[in-house]
Amino acid sequence: AQSVTQPDIHITVSEGASLELRCNYSYGATPYLFWYVQSPGQGLQLLLKYFSGDTLVQGIKGFEAEFKRSQSSFNLRKPSVHWSDAAEYFCAVGAKAAGNKLTFGGGTRVLVKP
Amino acid sequence: EPEVTQTPSHQVTQMGQEVILRCVPISNHLYFYWYRQILGQKVEFLVSFYNNEISEKSEIFDDQFSVERPDGSNFTLKIRSTKLEDSAMYFCASSARQGQETQYFGPGTRLLVL
Repeated sequence: AQSVTQPDIHITVSEGASLELRCNYSYGATPYLFWYVQSPGQGLQLLLKYFSGDTLVQGIKGFEAEFKRSQSSFNLRKPSVHWSDAAEYFCAVGAKAAGNKLTFGGGTRVLVKP
Repeated sequence: EPEVTQTPSHQVTQMGQEVILRCVPISNHLYFYWYRQILGQKVEFLVSFYNNEISEKSEIFDDQFSVERPDGSNFTLKIRSTKLEDSAMYFCASSARQGQETQYFGPGTRLLVL
C-alpha cells in the first residue's frame, strides 16, 4: 500500500526567506507525485506534479520540487516566500496500479511572518 | 480556466438524515472522485467512478454511501443515514484520463452532522 509522510506539521518562515517542505513516500513502483496547496476556505490547487523524466519540476507561484528516488522523497521548495504563500500544503502520491486514487500526506501548515 | 464546482459549500444535518453532495466536474473529464477530510486529519480517498460505475472504493465507502452521475454534468455523493463521524470536508475531483493525469479538485462541501 502507498503512504505519504509530511514530517513537519507547522512551519513558520519570514517573508523573503526560503522555504522547504518535506515529503517522503512509500510505494513499490514508480509513483506519480503531486503537491497541492489549500488556502483557507479554498479547495486543493495543484502546484506541481512529477510523472517521469527530469527529477526537478517547476510549478506555479515560483515553487519547485525534486524527486529523489534513493531517498523516497519529493520535497517542495521556494527561494523567496511571499505573505500570500501562507496556506496548507499537501503532498500526494498516485499510481495507475493503485487505481488512480491519490494518497495524501497529513499536510504542512505554513505561516509567513512579516 | 475550467474548474470543478461543488454545492452546497456548507451543510448542517441531523444524525440519521440523508444528504446529497453535488459536484460538476470539468466538462471533458471522464474520471470522477470523492475524497473527504475529517477536521485535523488527512485527505482520504472514498471512491472513483468511470463509465457510470465505481472503479474503486475505500473501506470507508460502505453501504451508507452511493455515487451517481444522474446527467451529463453532475456527479453526486449520497449518504443515506448520516452519522456524527461523517462530519468532514468532502472534495470532488475529476481527471481527463487515468494514469499520468492530474486530478482537479473542487472547493469542497463542509458537512456537519449534529
